[in-house]
Amino acid sequence: DADVTQTPRNRITKTGKRIMLECSQTKGHDRMYWYRQDPGLGLQLIYYSFDVKDINKGEISDGYSVSRQAQAKFSLSLESAIPNQTALYFCATSDPTDQETQYFGPGTRLLVL
Amino acid sequence: DQQVKQNSPSLSVQEGRISILNCDYTNSMFDYFLWYKKYPAEGPTFLISISSIKDKNEDGRFTVFLNKSAKHLSLHIVPSQPGDSAVYFCAASSNDYKLSFGAGTTVTVRA
Repeated sequence: DADVTQTPRNRITKTGKRIMLECSQTKGHDRMYWYRQDPGLGLQLIYYSFDVKDINKGEISDGYSVSRQAQAKFSLSLESAIPNQTALYFCATSDPTDQETQYFGPGTRLLVL
Repeated sequence: DQQVKQNSPSLSVQEGRISILNCDYTNSMFDYFLWYKKYPAEGPTFLISISSIKDKNEDGRFTVFLNKSAKHLSLHIVPSQPGDSAVYFCAASSNDYKLSFGAGTTVTVRA
């Protein structure tokens, strides 16, 4: 089984809809991250969480919110989706003893019409 | 403003030859650098890293070189194999556990 899973893997939604992307991990890591990837821009950090009670904004948090329901679960929400949020979204985790190395989920491809 | 830049979007190399991927950064506070590899429909996977106190790190066919004065690092893959065909991302950290990524270089290894 994969250590970091993301659901759904693909999603099509309409402008103005609220959607949630979910991430679960079995690695026992405290730190979790949400990134988006756009063509030609690499990965950009949306939000990160260093433990259940800690939530921090990343480079591009506008239009997004997150929830850390448990150590193993970190969800990303788009309150009112817009077309320029069409992207590939990745969740990642890191080990407190090796905090520089992050482990990524398989990604969620989101299309906002 | 991107702090980590990979100026070559693609690289094509013959099987058995060396692949050299380049990465430049602008933030002098970066002290740890990583390379990730990504196959289609999968997430990036960690490949190799280097601390700013070193100028070279080697792991099998993969070697990363760091030139701090030039704010430049490179990844060498020798010999290149078909399974190395993927997108390679350079990433950097300034000890705050957040990674800044480059845009990626797509490597194609020709048989």
